[in-house]
Amino acid sequence: GDSVTQMEGPVTLSEEAFLTINCTYTATGYPSLFWYVQYPGEGLQLLLKATKADDKGSNKGFEATYRKETTSFHLEKGSVQVSDSAVYFCALVDSNYQLIWGAGTKLIIKP
Amino acid sequence: EAGVVQSPRYKIIEKKQPVAFWCNPISGHNTLYWYLQNLGQGPELLIRYENEEAVDDSQLPKDRFSAERLKGVDSTLKIQPAELGDSAVYLCASSLRRGGRSETQYFGPGTRLLVL
Repeated sequence: GDSVTQMEGPVTLSEEAFLTINCTYTATGYPSLFWYVQYPGEGLQLLLKATKADDKGSNKGFEATYRKETTSFHLEKGSVQVSDSAVYFCALVDSNYQLIWGAGTKLIIKP
Repeated sequence: EAGVVQSPRYKIIEKKQPVAFWCNPISGHNTLYWYLQNLGQGPELLIRYENEEAVDDSQLPKDRFSAERLKGVDSTLKIQPAELGDSAVYLCASSLRRGGRSETQYFGPGTRLLVL
């Protein structure tokens, strides 16, 4: 079945550092891809999405590009802030309209 | 536009007691989901509704869990009786499904359940 693999955390960075969180997927067809963020004690918020190959999703300085050739959707941000500390989940929608989730990556930003 | 609303935000109960969670989806969204999320893990789907019909409840432990969405809008998830292992966050999400395509799921803040 479809699956999502993302890099293990925690990822610890200093403020203003460059961020990359890797995400790769296995799927039949070309599913929509998502990044969700979960701040401590809160629900999941959609961060960005891409619905077809070469699409770039972006929001709040974060970007991710749908790469069909490498089956990847890596999350990047040029300069992270302490407020970006959260757990980030990569996900895809499968052919049964279910979200298939990665395990989540905890991001810790130190001032 | 109001987001997905859930209540209560927190609930503490003793084992073997019943508990219910309520969810009001984003206005106009015809698809509603209930998820369970354990600490440090991703969400696990419990049940999905298309309007008032439960179209996927294969992961719902039907011996103690039940759900309803009577008018195709808000929904209730119930556990009776609760067990210690049910302690988790229960998330509700909604989306608008048009034709053969399911759009983005939007999540509520969740209900954090602690069973003592």
